[in-house]
Amino acid sequence: AQSVTQLDSHVSVSEGTPVLLRCNYSSSYSPSLFWYVQHPNKGLQLLLKYTSAATLVKGINGFEAEFKKSETSFHLTKPSAHMSDAAEYFCVVTPPQAGTALIFGKGTTLSVSS
Amino acid sequence: DGGITQSPKYLFRKEGQNVTLSCEQNLNHDAMYWYRQDPGQGLRLIYYSQIVNDFQKGDIAEGYSVSREKKESFPLTVTSAQKNPTAFYLCASRAGSSYNEQFFGPGTRLTVL
Repeated sequence: AQSVTQLDSHVSVSEGTPVLLRCNYSSSYSPSLFWYVQHPNKGLQLLLKYTSAATLVKGINGFEAEFKKSETSFHLTKPSAHMSDAAEYFCVVTPPQAGTALIFGKGTTLSVSS
Repeated sequence: DGGITQSPKYLFRKEGQNVTLSCEQNLNHDAMYWYRQDPGQGLRLIYYSQIVNDFQKGDIAEGYSVSREKKESFPLTVTSAQKNPTAFYLCASRAGSSYNEQFFGPGTRLTVL
């Protein structure tokens, strides 16, 4: 069965330091993978997506993620955190059956201190 | 602008009442979804619809009902049978390919008084 595990429920960083949010997935097929961001009381916004093209994917707001098939990982990184990056982040994988819903991780809350 | 709208943004309900949450999209997407979000529990799928006049139960469908009479609209009714309906509700849509992302609305926060 396919699943997504976000390894940290909460990550705290200082402004200007790197961000690393970890995500592992398991699947028996070649999935597409996504990272979404959610600010408080808002909907989810797509940060970036991997769809079997380049393994290093660049997204909005300076975020990027690297797909590593051998490690079944899709970690999200940013070189320098900004206060506005404080939010909840979801790692998501496509399901094996077309038309069914995406599979969401539990989310990682990112806190950024000044 | 293309997108997904949800209304109302905030909704208050008395115990025993049914309420309907609106979701409309003008992205011409075939598939639409409803999620419930509670603190610390991520997103849980309530119902989804791949095509007009067809929908399937998600992981937590009990106490909810939906309809899909038009491609653009996928309203969710929270019935009195839903024991703990206070939550943040998110609607999403998706284009046909299984590799495509979902687009989300801004959400409706439902509070039972």
